[in-house]
Amino acid sequence: ETGVTQTPRHLVMGMTNKKSLKCEQHLGHNAMYWYKQSAKKPLELMFVYSLEERVENNSVPSRFSPECPNSSHLFLHLHTLQPEDSALYLCASSQDQTLSEAFFGQGTRLTVV
Amino acid sequence: GNSVTQMEGPVTLSEEAFLTINCTYTATGYPSLFWYVQYPGEGLQLLLKATKADDKGSNKGFEATYRKETTSFHLEKGSVQVSDSAVYFCALSEGPTFTGANSKLTFGKGITLSVRP
Repeated sequence: ETGVTQTPRHLVMGMTNKKSLKCEQHLGHNAMYWYKQSAKKPLELMFVYSLEERVENNSVPSRFSPECPNSSHLFLHLHTLQPEDSALYLCASSQDQTLSEAFFGQGTRLTVV
Repeated sequence: GNSVTQMEGPVTLSEEAFLTINCTYTATGYPSLFWYVQYPGEGLQLLLKATKADDKGSNKGFEATYRKETTSFHLEKGSVQVSDSAVYFCALSEGPTFTGANSKLTFGKGITLSVRP
């Protein structure tokens, strides 16, 4: 238990569906992140939020839309995804972005059919 | 930019064997270095860290020393167990630059360790 909770753990969705991934942390951290983990590829940083403001967007397609309503919650809204978007999506948080380690959730295993 | 290079895997060892997983890095400043572990079906967990040169991080019998002269942070364990089977990621985190860019964690590709009884 790392203190970062992701729901759902598994999600299967069609290419025309709209779904959302949820991440929650009550560690008092100010920075939250979405990562994508695909087989045989390095972890890909997708989005970074610091104090609820998006500070980084690593050329992620617009079919992925993040939302950070407060410092404890982070969402990833998904629409019209492609099969190649199937992956493990990991949420993480850290105290701040300065030399601090990240705490990860267990991830959402997403399958796009 | 920053980068982390890990040795190619997978690695298969017998229980009680000695483990070394190599990691080298490239960074423009003075990064902190981390090893994360991902057990099957789980997210990543911090295993150990070192924040400056010559620091040694240790946890659960694993050790890694921050070597600035060789830009390395190799992970070692004297006697592995079946329960150590997992994917291991080396990572670095560098503070905000003078240009104001935010720091972030940069990960290596990860290496799968399988320990057989």
